Amino acid sequence: SAVISQKPSRDICQRGTSLTIQCQVDSQVTMMFWYRQQPGQSLTLIATANQGSEATYESGFVIDKFPISRPNLTFSTLTVSNMSPEDSSIYLCSAAAGTSGGTGEQFFGPGTRLTVL
Amino acid sequence: QKEVEQNSGPLSVPEGAIASLNCTYSDRGSQSFFWYRQYSGKSPELIMSIYSNGDKEDGRFTAQLNKASQYVSLLIRDSQPSDSATYLCAVKGDAGNMLTFGGGTRLMVKP
Repeated sequence: SAVISQKPSRDICQRGTSLTIQCQVDSQVTMMFWYRQQPGQSLTLIATANQGSEATYESGFVIDKFPISRPNLTFSTLTVSNMSPEDSSIYLCSAAAGTSGGTGEQFFGPGTRLTVL
Repeated sequence: QKEVEQNSGPLSVPEGAIASLNCTYSDRGSQSFFWYRQYSGKSPELIMSIYSNGDKEDGRFTAQLNKASQYVSLLIRDSQPSDSATYLCAVKGDAGNMLTFGGGTRLMVKP
């Protein structure tokens, strides 16, 4: 399994500001994903980070609010833009080694706990 | 819309007992099924994957899959207090690598 790190591990931010979360994988992976987990809730997929092309966003999430970069096969960033208290959540990065249609096993980073005041 | 359903619990079992966690899914085209364990304040950890009908055993864990009935279950034998966590069921469709997660079942193992 891949080892995944995220920075920062937590942050407290002011309303209206933006935060960029970094995700680093210790090996090249085909697919990387960003999830949100609100308190007491399960995981909701924000987007699939595509290497060399625009991310694929799920319903309810838009690029202007959650811009994503993936410059190579081991690194991705998620920016939470123009934050409001409703964005307070844990943001999780995951990686899958297989190609589309593969086994689908995903491994998660430790998460970034974001609090917006 | 693809749905994955789990009883939120808490499911309380005594130490040494068998804990049985269940999950149903709506998409008949689903191909891969996963169980993740999530301790409070931590990220999900993959503990079992299952791809074909039947049972798959790994140590104290057994995953069971029945595609005809669209359910997948996780049995934990000889439950320990350290097994107390939220267990998330996740399902992958027949295309792409996206997972749909259930709401999770909170398991409490009492000493």
